[in-house]
Amino acid sequence: DIQMTQSPSSLSASVGDRVTITCRASQGISNYLAWFQQKPGKAPKSLIYAASSLQSGVPSKFSGSGSGTDFTLTISSLQPEDFATYYCQQYNSYPTFGQGTRLEIK
Amino acid sequence: QVTLRESGPALVKPTQTLTLTCTFSGFSLSTSGMCVSWIRQPPGKALEWLARIDWDDDKYYSTSLKTRLTISKDTSKNQVVLTMTNMDPVDTATYYCALLYCGGDWFDYWGQGTLVTVSS
Repeated sequence: DIQMTQSPSSLSASVGDRVTITCRASQGISNYLAWFQQKPGKAPKSLIYAASSLQSGVPSKFSGSGSGTDFTLTISSLQPEDFATYYCQQYNSYPTFGQGTRLEIK
Repeated sequence: QVTLRESGPALVKPTQTLTLTCTFSGFSLSTSGMCVSWIRQPPGKALEWLARIDWDDDKYYSTSLKTRLTISKDTSKNQVVLTMTNMDPVDTATYYCALLYCGGDWFDYWGQGTLVTVSS
């Protein structure tokens, strides 16, 4: 299985900040990488697929980059509704998720 | 409008077999390029992908769980069934069915999830 490692595991930030979350794959996955947002008690929501393509309806404050083994999710101008847990997922082979990054309000 | 809904027992005993049903609307699993996936999440823990079934009946399973999982579809009923054998307390989780990546296009539709507790 391809292992996905996210960093950091948790992150404190303030409203208006810009944050970056990193995801590393244990082997090359080209651009077969998606990012999900999950709020407590809710199903996840897809933000980005193919490493950098924005899902329909997702605001452009979310952006993704990377290829191969290293990927990033950047969220600009944080708003209260952005504080959630974020997961990366590779789908180059049988899908696997990262362990999640909890984004908290400072 | 695409919707998915999971149903099944809230409580199962260790060693029992879990059967979950995903009932969906707004798309058909007889349509080329469509699929349904199952994903679970233990309380307070990360997401784990379990299985996927495609419109052409191709099936994919988590490497670590494939000996315990079976996925099937009933196209006429718009349902997908996931069975997991030999349940253990570590299998306690919220189980989601979803329409996500089907090998071509990306979608983003999820059920609300169903919590399954494994306990004697």
